[in-house]
Amino acid sequence: GQQVMQIPQYQHVQEGEDFTTYCNSSTTLSNIQWYKQRPGGHPVFLIQLVKSGEVKKQKRLTFQFGEAKKNSSLHITATQTTDVGTYFCAGRFTSGTYKYIFGTGTRLKVLA
Amino acid sequence: KAGVTQTPRYLIKTRGQQVTLSCSPISGHRSVSWYQQTPGQGLQFLFEYFSETQRNKGNFPGRFSGRQFSNSRSEMNVSTLELGDSALYLCASSLVAGSEKLFFGSGTQLSVL
Repeated sequence: GQQVMQIPQYQHVQEGEDFTTYCNSSTTLSNIQWYKQRPGGHPVFLIQLVKSGEVKKQKRLTFQFGEAKKNSSLHITATQTTDVGTYFCAGRFTSGTYKYIFGTGTRLKVLA
Repeated sequence: KAGVTQTPRYLIKTRGQQVTLSCSPISGHRSVSWYQQTPGQGLQFLFEYFSETQRNKGNFPGRFSGRQFSNSRSEMNVSTLELGDSALYLCASSLVAGSEKLFFGSGTQLSVL
């Protein structure tokens, strides 16, 4: 079936350290989105990647979409306490469906 | 512009009962998706509606159903509740479906006792 695997499940970092979460799909994705969910909150859209090999930056956040459009990563440089939350990737498959399959998420804890 | 509104915010039910959850999308948004979120399973796709038609369905039993009205508001119904249905149910809207970002509501926290 269509699945999106995300690792790691948890990550604790010291403030100022970098953080990366990875998403992998068994089949080619049409596009991938990234969301952030703060504790007690709801997922909030961060970015969408569509093109093979695409790289996008948002301040300290760097998003990449693999050449084969089967994997993606989110890298945060010099984490801050405001980065705490769970980061989800959500992939749309190329089968013409209109649903996004979410990864299991990576919960980030930043220690001050 | 108001965000996605979900009601009620919290709900406590007992096994065997049924429940209806409501979602009002952002004005102008025609696509509504529903997700079930549990600590161990992440966000599981339930179904997606566009212009009152269900276009996609996840792998949930028939006890889970939904509908969308002409004003794009959507409802989700779960019949014969089971303990395992306890979860946060999130609704998301988008302008059109497939390549637009999803705007999530705050969710309905359902507890089944």
